[in-house]
Amino acid sequence: EIVMTQSPATLSVSPGERATFSCRASQSVSNKLAWYQQKPGQAPRLLIYGASTRATGIPARFSGSGSGTEFTLTLSSLQSEDFAVYYCEQYDKWPYTFGQGTKLEIK
Amino acid sequence: QVHLVQSGVEVKKPGASMTVSCKASGYTFTSYGITWVRQAPGQGLEWMGWVSAYNGNTNYAQKLQGRVTMTTDTSTTTAYMELRSLRSDDTAVYYCAREGDYGDYNDYWGKGTTVTVSS
Repeated sequence: EIVMTQSPATLSVSPGERATFSCRASQSVSNKLAWYQQKPGQAPRLLIYGASTRATGIPARFSGSGSGTEFTLTLSSLQSEDFAVYYCEQYDKWPYTFGQGTKLEIK
Repeated sequence: QVHLVQSGVEVKKPGASMTVSCKASGYTFTSYGITWVRQAPGQGLEWMGWVSAYNGNTNYAQKLQGRVTMTTDTSTTTAYMELRSLRSDDTAVYYCAREGDYGDYNDYWGKGTTVTVSS
């Protein structure tokens, strides 16, 4: 099973600033990497798939990069609605696996 | 417009079985697989397995093998997830999600079904 490791566990950032999330895979997942946002009491929402393609309706301030084992999600100019938990998921090899999540909190 | 509507809250005793349903609409049901994901209280997301709505093929997380069965009913465009021999650590919110157009990521999600296992 591929282990996905996200860092940091918690990220404290001020509105208007940039946030950068990391996700590392224990073996290569090519570009089969998705990012999701989850707010309390809600289902996850797809942000990025294919490591760098924004899902429908996702603002351009969300961007993804990376391939192989190292991936990054960047949120530029944070807005109040962006404070949530972010998960990465590899969908290259069964069983698919999620990272443990990074909580983005207001500084 | 894609919608996934899940069944309601469940309260079960240890050792019992449960079935969560996921009614799909707004797309061609047999063209997309369904993934099941669960989230224990205060914890992260756990991938449980996937079922093809085209031919019923499945792939399950190893830790659930033997206790879980995922199926689909194309006549009602509904996916089902049965979990048997329930334990307290099966207490979680269970989500169904539709796979994407370009891969097995999950682009549409149900709102979740809360399942509590307690004696």
